[in-house]
Amino acid sequence: EAGVAQSPRYKIIEKRQSVAFWCNPISGHATLYWYQQILGQGPKLLIQFQNNGVVDDSQLPKDRFSAERLKGVDSTLKIQPAKLEDSAVYLCASSFGQGPYEQFFGPGTRLTVL
Amino acid sequence: GQNIDQPTEMTATEGAIVQINCTYQTSGFNGLFWYQQHAGEAPTFLSYNVLDGLEEKGRFSSFLSRSKGYSYLLLKELQMKDSASYLCAVRGGNQGGKLIFGQGTELSVKP
Repeated sequence: EAGVAQSPRYKIIEKRQSVAFWCNPISGHATLYWYQQILGQGPKLLIQFQNNGVVDDSQLPKDRFSAERLKGVDSTLKIQPAKLEDSAVYLCASSFGQGPYEQFFGPGTRLTVL
Repeated sequence: GQNIDQPTEMTATEGAIVQINCTYQTSGFNGLFWYQQHAGEAPTFLSYNVLDGLEEKGRFSSFLSRSKGYSYLLLKELQMKDSASYLCAVRGGNQGGKLIFGQGTELSVKP
């Protein structure tokens, strides 16, 4: 089966610019996650969706980050305006549901903010 | 607070056995995952423990002690391709599915 797709794979922007990332989860997976992984650290959950509803966005910097999953399938994560400390890999993952299900990760988008 | 600790890096020899430890303190517990992450790639699932004891899967085994807040990943017959970061992640007790990751252990396998 096809895995989690993300685009773009790489993005370089200057601080204060805006950027958007796209994620297409595995077909049939109701739960979608966005993680931020700074170099040398483990992934940190930014936001979790169950279908098109938000389950957890407690660690999402809402003054500059936003995410949506309007039709319960694809999702976009936006940063506006970007800061230097936003340089990281943004990983999208999906799972069948919220229970004890394995999370499958996409290849990630590597963001560099100059 | 929630805290997951694992060593930053380890080195081992091809063909040997290595054990990567993970200790955790979280609000509730609904399972512990181990993921492998090669440089520049996405994490891939290795194992899942929710009950105490050892889970074996080929060359990889994972152990859990909930009373001690402790897990380890055991890699046998090490191969060069096992050089990667190994991430310990705990699913807490409140939000469904949310994983809290440790910083990862960078394993280098030498010939």
